[in-house]
Amino acid sequence: QVQLQESGPGLVKPSETLSLTCTVSGGSISSYYWNWIRQPPGKGLEWIGYIYYSRSTSYNPSLKSRVSISVDTSKNQFSLKLNSVTAADTAVYYCATTGNSSARWFDPWGQGTLVTVSS
Amino acid sequence: EIVLTQSPDFQSVTPKEKVTITCRASQSIGSSLHWYQQKPDQSPKLLIKYASQSFSGVPSRFSGSGSGTDFTLTINSLEAEDAATYYCHQSSSLPHTFGQGTKLEIK
Repeated sequence: QVQLQESGPGLVKPSETLSLTCTVSGGSISSYYWNWIRQPPGKGLEWIGYIYYSRSTSYNPSLKSRVSISVDTSKNQFSLKLNSVTAADTAVYYCATTGNSSARWFDPWGQGTLVTVSS
Repeated sequence: EIVLTQSPDFQSVTPKEKVTITCRASQSIGSSLHWYQQKPDQSPKLLIKYASQSFSGVPSRFSGSGSGTDFTLTINSLEAEDAATYYCHQSSSLPHTFGQGTKLEIK
């Protein structure tokens, strides 16, 4: 069974780049759609984007100019980069998969990692 | 972008009560609507996929219905462990979007 685990710095300075990694275990990253989703403290869920093993990506238009998702098949990991961050980017960041289609439900999810943007 | 609007935002209910949460889409999404439960400090967990299909391991008191623009999550005979925030999610078109959430408090 696929399991996901996020990792990365918990504190990022304003205007810098947020970088997170999601490690996939129990399955190969060379298939499926791999997503990032975030949740500001006390608020709802926002889809950030996905990557498909063929390097195909799709991003939320609200973040498209600042976001990049990549995959490292040798490490069974995919990564998120969000540049020019502000306090509004403070959130719990989750990785999740929609399986072999982009048009499905998210399952499973990682446990999430809190990233705070502050000087 | 498809906007999902849930109602109510908050509901205080007693155990064994029946609860209904609705999710309305800004345009037709067929049956591409999914429901999640999120407890404090946990990641969301899938309850219902494609509007009415129960996900593996989910208690039978959870059920979903609807299609097009109007959807419902029903919890029969509420239990104390059902205290959580519930979200709907559409996968009909990108970007994926979520409802704002419905918080259930158990009295």
